[in-house]
Amino acid sequence: EPEVTQTPSHQVTQMGQEVILRCVPISNHLYFYWYRQILGQKVEFLVSFYNNEISEKSEIFDDQFSVERPDGSNFTLKIRSTKLEDSAMYFCASMSRLAGLETQYFGPGTRLLVL
Amino acid sequence: GQQVMQIPQYQHVQEGEDFTTYCNSSTTLSNIQWYKQRPGGHPVFLIQLVKSGEVKKQKRLTFQFGEAKKNSSLHITATQTTDVGTYFCAGRAAGNKLTFGGGTRVLVKP
Repeated sequence: EPEVTQTPSHQVTQMGQEVILRCVPISNHLYFYWYRQILGQKVEFLVSFYNNEISEKSEIFDDQFSVERPDGSNFTLKIRSTKLEDSAMYFCASMSRLAGLETQYFGPGTRLLVL
Repeated sequence: GQQVMQIPQYQHVQEGEDFTTYCNSSTTLSNIQWYKQRPGGHPVFLIQLVKSGEVKKQKRLTFQFGEAKKNSSLHITATQTTDVGTYFCAGRAAGNKLTFGGGTRVLVKP
């Protein structure tokens, strides 16, 4: 079965540093997402991406965040200057939409720790 | 903004018993989805409900979408130890944003 992959699985960084989280969505999917989950809390929507542009973003997704699909396969989330509160699990997801039915597949996540 | 609430937050179930988790949205939804997340794992899609009053079954799991499309429930019969995990509902109102509820963490006592 096809799956979403994410790298790295863990990332430790110093506050103020830039991080890039990488995702390879399922190949024939057109809708891509980033979510984050602070330990023990709910999954929070960050941004959706369709047709090579952001289609929607949450209030969490401020100017410190950006997304790219640089080569038609990878989907990246960049955090320019990390803060302590950015420590969380970051999940990438891709979605198939067929006849109004959606199935969203999550990757295994990248655990980001900001020190 | 849209809020999705789930109750209970925790559910301790004796193996073999049934339980239900409930999901309520502050706004009318175009669809609602349910996910299961095992400890240390990622959310895994279970089902999507689209129609008002829709009921779908997956083996021991029964999902229901309310008539007003603002609430949903997941009922699990004859709970097994493999049912351990956190069950999230996630609602889509308009656009591409999926708003997750806080989850129901299920613990099964053998």
